[in-house]
Formats: sequence, C-alpha cells, structure tokens
Amino acid sequence: SQQGEEDPQALSIQEGENATMNCSYKTSINNLQWYRQNSGRGLVHLILIRSNEREKHSGRLRVTLDTSKKSSSLLITASRAADTASYFCATAAVGAGSYQLTFGKGTKLSVIP
Amino acid sequence: DAGVIQSPRHEVTEMGQEVTLRCKPISGHNSLFWYRQTMMRGLELLIYFNNNVPIDDSGMPEDRFSAKMPNASFSTLKIQPSEPRDSAVYFCASSFPNRGPRQETQYFGPGTRLLVL
Repeated sequence: SQQGEEDPQALSIQEGENATMNCSYKTSINNLQWYRQNSGRGLVHLILIRSNEREKHSGRLRVTLDTSKKSSSLLITASRAADTASYFCATAAVGAGSYQLTFGKGTKLSVIP
Repeated sequence: DAGVIQSPRHEVTEMGQEVTLRCKPISGHNSLFWYRQTMMRGLELLIYFNNNVPIDDSGMPEDRFSAKMPNASFSTLKIQPSEPRDSAVYFCASSFPNRGPRQETQYFGPGTRLLVL
C-alpha cells in the first residue's frame, strides 16, 4: 500500500504564481523526500527533509514537515512553465533497511505561461 | 557522469514472450532498485539489491518476474512469460554506498516503457 498520499492529484496555475502540494503518510519516518518527474522521464530528486527538521529551502523550493500530523508540504514559488511535471513525495520509514523509499501517487502540476 | 542507463527504452511484445530489461547503475553506487509505475498503482518497489545481493524482493509480483545483478555495473529484470497486465514503465534507480546523507537519495534511469499485447 502507498505510504505517502499527495494532495491535490492535479494542480493548474499561472506562471509566476506559487504552487503548494501536500503529502500525508502513515508510519514514523527517518526522512521524507520530494521528487519531480517530467513526462516520459525518470524521477529526479529535489529535496530531503529529516524527521527532526521542520522546514528546508532549496532555491525556489520550500518544504515543511509536521511529524505530529504526519504531513509535509512542498511550495514552489514564482512558478515557471518548466516546473510543469508530476511531483512525488517518498518516505523512508523507521526500521526500513537501507533507505528503501515508498512513493505516493503524485501531484500533476501544470504551469500555464 | 552518465547517470543510470536503461535499455531498451521501449518494448512491445506479445503475451507469452520473455522480456528482459537492463540497467547500468551509476559507477560507485552499491544500491540498486527496480520499480514499476502504472496509473492505477503508482510507483512500486519490485526488488532492492545491495552490493549485488538481493535484499528485499517482496515486491516482485509473482514467479514470472526475476532479477539478477551479476556485478556492480549491471542488472536485469526478466518477465517470463509476459502478460498484458505487466504493461507499465519499469525504472531502475541506484544510490550511494552507506556513508553520509547522499546515500538516501535515489537516482533514476529514464525507464523502459513495456507494452504486452
């Protein structure tokens, strides 16, 4: 079964706007990661946040983690058409051997020029 | 750095045929993962290798699926016999050895799009 569940399933915004995607999970985690997948391509790692961190930034990306609610959010500021892709959260559960990841089904983001 | 290499990129076959998917991980990575992605089930982990040894194959759907990693630079995923419900995109991913935070990030190949008729 899926560990992470992204919300919304699809999101359409205008270029320049901010995009927020949410992820909820079920079990205790070591870390949570966000990946991007462009159409027809493999997944690309964006950012990792550990269970003892609450917020992390990387360029136009901001990730928050609330372990009490078992949820995370990914904010993309000042979106660009090139940000159009599917975004997946992935969790490394406590006790999982060797950093195996469980992926959600993703949020499909469309940024309209 | 070449990244994770997968071949073929596309495969169309008929039900009952054997299918072999290939993966070359990034040099120096010692963990390798095979995933399957479908619209219905999302991205599922099939099998995980560490230092060429299968550690967890609990995600392999049934005996028709098998995977090998004969050396650190090559892995195969075989389906025999193939069925239409095996149609999906199959990804290979690799990660660094167990030292430091980079070990937790997985690097994905471009995938093999399989269609079984």
